[in-house]
Amino acid sequence: GAVVSQHPSRVICKSGTSVKIECRSLDFQATTMFWYRQFPKQSLMLMATSNEGSKATYEQGVEKDKFLINHASLTLSTLTVTSAHPEDSSFYICSARVPSHNEQFFGPGTRLTVL
Amino acid sequence: RKEVEQDPGPFNVPEGATVAFNCTYSNSASQSFFWYRQDCRKEPKLLMSVYSSGNEDGRFTAQLNRASQYISLLIRDSKLSDSATYLCVHGGAQKLVFGQGTRLTINP
Repeated sequence: GAVVSQHPSRVICKSGTSVKIECRSLDFQATTMFWYRQFPKQSLMLMATSNEGSKATYEQGVEKDKFLINHASLTLSTLTVTSAHPEDSSFYICSARVPSHNEQFFGPGTRLTVL
Repeated sequence: RKEVEQDPGPFNVPEGATVAFNCTYSNSASQSFFWYRQDCRKEPKLLMSVYSSGNEDGRFTAQLNRASQYISLLIRDSKLSDSATYLCVHGGAQKLVFGQGTRLTINP
């Protein structure tokens, strides 16, 4: 199957700092990538849909000024958590949709801990 | 009402047992249905798609009932390696909506 990578896999930061997470499709071009967040014992919640060359589409309740998404190329999308706070601590997972297929392939996730 | 509802479990069953999970969804316009498997602290991985006619993949059988908006997953002859959280997922043109997941533990 298609391979999606995420970096970093884990990050611990102080409250108030910004954290950038990268999502790459390694062996295919993804015009659309998705960013999810998963709190402990809860389901994955879609945060935003990232479209190459255009603005991301955010889900209701997700602050676009706090979670900055950039999809500058067909293989890279970045999520920046600005001014992170402890309540932003979560498992952030990206996925990429293979063109002309219904399936999404997920990255390995980034575990963010804000102290 | 949640878009996708699952019994969170946990289910603890002995190795070799048959186990069934159920899931209901609220959006009657949903086009695609899937079961994903998620191991602890890992990303979800596609287990199988679910078709109206029902489909089987080895020890796994998935069924979809559009009239009742109900999806099921049956695991036969369970193995220790089947221990995971099973996520019921439905999707439209782009988005996937995940259920909370059902946690399964297979005991030796």
